[in-house]
Amino acid sequence: GAVVSQHPSRVICKSGTSVKIECRSLDFQATTMFWYRQFPKQSLMLMATSNEGSKATYEQGVEKDKFLINHASLTLSTLTVTSAHPEDSSFYICSARGRRTYEQYFGPGTRLTVT
Amino acid sequence: AQSVTQLDSQVPVFEEAPVELRCNYSSSVSVYLFWYVQYPNQGLQLLLKYLSGSTLVESINGFEAEFNKSQTSFHLRKPSVHISDTAEYFCAVSRDTGRRALTFGSGTRLQVQP
Repeated sequence: GAVVSQHPSRVICKSGTSVKIECRSLDFQATTMFWYRQFPKQSLMLMATSNEGSKATYEQGVEKDKFLINHASLTLSTLTVTSAHPEDSSFYICSARGRRTYEQYFGPGTRLTVT
Repeated sequence: AQSVTQLDSQVPVFEEAPVELRCNYSSSVSVYLFWYVQYPNQGLQLLLKYLSGSTLVESINGFEAEFNKSQTSFHLRKPSVHISDTAEYFCAVSRDTGRRALTFGSGTRLQVQP
């Protein structure tokens, strides 16, 4: 099956710094990638959708200047949390979908802790 | 917009007993329905899906779900659970057109006890 990787798996950063999370589709071309956020013992909340080569579409309430998403190639999307604060601590999960398919393949997630 | 309701946040069950995890959805358009499983500290894995056709769908590890359009439900069942089925289960829905982003339910923690 299709494989999606995320890097890093865990990151701890100081308040005010920026953190970049990578999401890669390893064996297929991902025309669309999704970024989710999951709080402890809660469901996944869609943050944004990105299509290769175009600007990301953010969900209502998600600050686009704080959560920068870049989908520069068909196998790579990045999420940068700028000027991170403790309330940004969460589990960030990406998923990827290929052309003309319905199924999303999920990455293993990145646990971000802001101290 | 779509929404998904998973009424049971936790379901404790003994090993080899049957289980049903409930999922109801709301949508004004046609949708696809999914069940995902998340093991501790791991990402989501697709368990099964309904796109069209037969309303009863099955997974390779014994789970099944039935799409009931009149009741807008997609309950997940297994006739005999194993300890290894302990995990978080998420029901999700997407439109069948457009960007098809997933809307997730709040999840049900299945705890299988020996």
